[in-house]
Amino acid sequence: EDQVTQSPEALRLQEGESSSLNCSYTVSGLRGLFWYRQDPGKGPEFLFTLYSAGEEKEKERLKATLTKKESFLHITAPKPEDSATYLCAVNSANQAGTALIFGKGTTLSVSS
Amino acid sequence: DAGVIQSPRHEVTEMGQEVTLRCKPISGHDYLFWYRQTMMRGLELLIYFNNNVPIDDSGMPEDRFSAKMPNASFSTLKIQPSEPRDSAVYFCASSPPGRRYGYTFGSGTRLTVV
Repeated sequence: EDQVTQSPEALRLQEGESSSLNCSYTVSGLRGLFWYRQDPGKGPEFLFTLYSAGEEKEKERLKATLTKKESFLHITAPKPEDSATYLCAVNSANQAGTALIFGKGTTLSVSS
Repeated sequence: DAGVIQSPRHEVTEMGQEVTLRCKPISGHDYLFWYRQTMMRGLELLIYFNNNVPIDDSGMPEDRFSAKMPNASFSTLKIQPSEPRDSAVYFCASSPPGRRYGYTFGSGTRLTVV
């Protein structure tokens, strides 16, 4: 059975204090790993897709990396507007089509 | 583009009542997904459609849940009869073909069954 585990559950940072969020996965045949951002009261918003170990994607202060067992979302010099819940999801050979299995997320709070 | 549109945004109903949630996907997206989000279980896939055809409904928790997609621009998720444990936020999402495109989620329907 595919599993996605995110850590930590919650993270508090000061503005400018860089850190990383972790997403560990156990799947049979990874076909894609996805990162989403979710603000309170809203649906998740797509950030990145990673397909193979060693791949990296960047967007503003966010950088996602992928290994054979986990993915990291690095946040460089965060600002209060980066506060949100970050969700990781996988699509694997166990799932039909493009269905995604989500982790429970990491809630990031950035204070000024 | 207005994005994925869900209605209603909030629904409060009494146990035993029928509840219908609605979704309009983005035009041109041929995949549609229904997810449920709770604090305990996170986001769970309930069912998804490809070109209006249900592909995988293994996540539908019970026979009380049913979903339809009569055309490319409309889908419904129905719960009959509703129970307090169905209280959650229900999201609809759509995507174009290919895995390189993430889903676009709607704003969700917060369902409370009392």
